[in-house]
Amino acid sequence: GAGVSQSPSNKVTEKGKDVELRCDPISGHTALYWYRQSLGQGLEFLIYFQGNSAPDKSGLPSDRFSAERTGGSVSTLTIQRTQQEDSAVYLCASSLSERDYEQYFGPGTRLTVT
Amino acid sequence: GDSVTQMEGPVTLSEEAFLTINCTYTATGYPSLFWYVQYPGEGLQLLLKATKADDKGSNKGFEATYRKETTSFHLEKGSVQVSDSAVYFCALRQGYSSASKIIFGSGTRLSIRP
Repeated sequence: GAGVSQSPSNKVTEKGKDVELRCDPISGHTALYWYRQSLGQGLEFLIYFQGNSAPDKSGLPSDRFSAERTGGSVSTLTIQRTQQEDSAVYLCASSLSERDYEQYFGPGTRLTVT
Repeated sequence: GDSVTQMEGPVTLSEEAFLTINCTYTATGYPSLFWYVQYPGEGLQLLLKATKADDKGSNKGFEATYRKETTSFHLEKGSVQVSDSAVYFCALRQGYSSASKIIFGSGTRLSIRP
C-alpha cells in the first residue's frame, strides 16, 4: 500500500516568508509525527498528534512553528517568518497507534531559506 | 532528559569486514531501543528494535542487544556489503505513559568499499 507522502519535496523560500509543508500519513494510522533533520542538530522531534487528543507540541522550537491535523488524516506544518536556521529536512512519520513501535517515515521536505 | 549518544562517523570499511557502531543511552525507566537506517535518496526506516533488557533485535544480518547494565545498544554485522552503505541512527522511545516521540542519536554514516 501507499506509504507516507510529503509535499513539496523541495522548497526554497526567502527569509521572512511563511511556508506550509504537507504530510499524508498511511491510511488508518492514528498517530502522526513531525521531525526535523538538520546538520547541526541531527534528528529532532517537533510535534505529534494522536487521534483526537491534544497534540504534544513540546518539540516546537519557537512560536513561529505550528501544525494542524485535519480530520485525523492530513497534517500541515507551518513556519512563519522563516529564518535561515530553519533550513533543514522536515520528516513526517505515522504509526498505527501511539502504542505501535514502528513509525513509518515519509521522504521528507527539504527546506532552504535564503 | 533522555538522550542517545552514538559513535561519530563517517565509518569506512571494506566489503566483508566486521561492523560495530556504538550506541549508549540515558533514560529513566525502561525505554524501547531502535536502530533506524537511511539509505541514499530514501526515507528513514526501522532496521531493528528491542523492547526490554537482554532482548536481541536482528534484521538483514544486523544485530543489537539491549544491555541495561551498560545502557548500550551497539549495532553489529559480521560481514558488511556495499549495499549497507547508509546513515544509521540509534534511537529510544519511552513507554506508553509518556509521549511516544522518538529520541534519535546524531547518526553514523557508513561507507563500504568494494
